[in-house]
Parts: sequence; structure tokens; C-alpha cells
Amino acid sequence: DIQMTQSPSSLSASVGDRVTITCRASQGISNYLAWYQQKPGKVPKLLIYAASTLQSGVPSRFSGSGSGTDFTLTISSLQPEDVATYYCQKYNSAPPLTFGGGTKVEIK
Amino acid sequence: EVQLVESGGGLVKPGGSLRLSCAASGFTFSSYSMNWVRQAPGKGLEWVSSISSSSSYIYYADSVKGRFTISRDNAKNSLYLQMNSLRAEDTAVYYCARAESPVWYFDLWGRGTLVTVSS
Repeated sequence: DIQMTQSPSSLSASVGDRVTITCRASQGISNYLAWYQQKPGKVPKLLIYAASTLQSGVPSRFSGSGSGTDFTLTISSLQPEDVATYYCQKYNSAPPLTFGGGTKVEIK
Repeated sequence: EVQLVESGGGLVKPGGSLRLSCAASGFTFSSYSMNWVRQAPGKGLEWVSSISSSSSYIYYADSVKGRFTISRDNAKNSLYLQMNSLRAEDTAVYYCARAESPVWYFDLWGRGTLVTVSS
């Protein structure tokens, strides 16, 4: 099975900073990658699918890139409401579906 | 309103059984693949099981294969998860999640239901 590895596992940044989270697949998955945001105590929310397509309603400061095995989620200007744990998920084929371990983003 | 509402969680002893339900509303349930995803306390997301729109394709994580059974009733707009031989490590919030066929990412999530396996 394909494994998904996220880094870092946590980060602390200042409001307005550019934040980058990385997700690496153990095998190529083309662009079949999604990103989710889970705020503390809340339900996960789809941010990005197909590696770079923003889900409707998601602020444009979020962006995704990558293909094959290496992917990134970027927040161009970190806002207080972006405090959350972010997960990547591969979906290049029928299940099993695999999530990354998560990246917790905090405000410095 | 487009939503998923889970129910059926609770406290159960190791080796026991529980049946989770997920009621869908506000969209054409029969057009979507449906899924269960769980999250142990303080841990990350773990995919559990998926079922295609017509129940033709069913998938399970290795960790639950042979113990859990996913099913759906399109006439009732409902998804189910029958959980048998429960273990302490099955303790988690169980989310129902929608996926638009043929892709398998989750664009709609329920609020979750907590399952606690403890003696």
C-alpha cells in the first residue's frame, strides 16, 4: 500500500507569514491528492483536490501544487483562523485510501 | 440543507458489537460513494471503509476487515457500519463522508459519533 508522509508534524508561524506543508507519497500518485483542514474540535473540511484545485469557498491564500510523489500546501499569508491540523490524502485508485499523519499549524 | 448525521455510537465492552448509522439529506444520496473515516482521541484521520453508489464495490481497511460491515439503503438515504468483535483500539470518533464517484476524496463530512470500547 502507498504511504503518505507529511512534514513537518507541527509548525508555529506569525500572522502574515507564508507557510508551506509537504506531503510525500511512497509511490507516484499523479495528481490524485487532496488536502483537508481540521480546526480544533471541528469536522475535517476539504480544501484542495486534484493537488491544486481549490474547493469552492476556500480562501485564495490557500494553494496546492505537486505531482507524482511530492506535494505542497501553501498558505500565502497565515491568518489566526488558519490554526488547524492539515491532512493530505491520496486517492489515485480504488481504496485503500490513505491520509498523511497531519501537520498542526499554530500562531507564534 | 446538505448534511450527514451519524448516530449509534456509545460505550461497548471489548468483543461487543455496535451499529452506526448515517442519515443523508439535501442531495441525491444514490449518486455518491459513501465512506467511514475514524479518528482516535488525539490522533489523525484513518480511513475505515467505502461503498460505491450501488453497493457494487465495497472496501475495508486491513485493521477492520472481517469485523466491520458497511452497507447502505438508497431508498432510506442511509449508510451503515456494523462493527463486531470490537477492540480498545477501535475507540474513535467515526465520521460518515461523501465522495463523488469515481473519485475518492471527501467533500462532505458528518459531525461524527463517538465509539468507546472499554470494560
